[in-house]
Amino acid sequence: GENVEQHPSTLSVQEGDSAVIKCTYSDSASNYFPWYKQELGKRPQLIIDIRSNVGEKKDQRIAVTLNKTAKHFSLHITETQPEDSAVYFCAADPRSGGGADGLTFGKGTHLIIQP
Amino acid sequence: DSGVTQTPKHLITATGQRVTLRCSPRSGDLSVYWYQQSLDQGLQFLIQYYNGEERAKGNILERFSAQQFPDLHSELNLSSLELGDSALYFCASSGGSSGNTIYFGEGSWLTVV
Repeated sequence: GENVEQHPSTLSVQEGDSAVIKCTYSDSASNYFPWYKQELGKRPQLIIDIRSNVGEKKDQRIAVTLNKTAKHFSLHITETQPEDSAVYFCAADPRSGGGADGLTFGKGTHLIIQP
Repeated sequence: DSGVTQTPKHLITATGQRVTLRCSPRSGDLSVYWYQQSLDQGLQFLIQYYNGEERAKGNILERFSAQQFPDLHSELNLSSLELGDSALYFCASSGGSSGNTIYFGEGSWLTVV
């Protein structure tokens, strides 16, 4: 099955700086890579996703890049703000375009924004 | 609000007992997923149902079982509970107008004492 590794487990950055979280996956059939943000005690919320036919996707201060050859993808947050503090999970999905198996998640990155 | 509804929100029970967690997916979603989240294990995929049938199975213990009913709501049954089963259990759904994007419910906090 799919295996997703996520680094770092904790990331502390100064407010206004950029944050980068990296993930690797093992199943070359994976073609959908969402990122979720989870605040303490709350549900994971989708913040951005990318599919294997795209190398980069941006949404305001958040961007995700995908390198299918190397089987890794990254989340980039620019101009970080206090409300960006949360746990971020990457995930990979080996489905081939329709509903199928569940997402495999990385273990999460606790992002801390220092004022 | 994701549109995925879970009950109960909180549950405290004793070891050896059995509980049932309930989930109503987003309107139109055919797939329901169950995930377990504990402090040291992250988000663990348990099981997926699609339109009433089991579709994929993850790290689900034999003491746990689930089903999806004709109205597409799902239940996760946890039996012979152990202290280590204490966790936040999430239901999620996908399909319908959201395509394969997965939306999570608010979760059910289970504490086994």
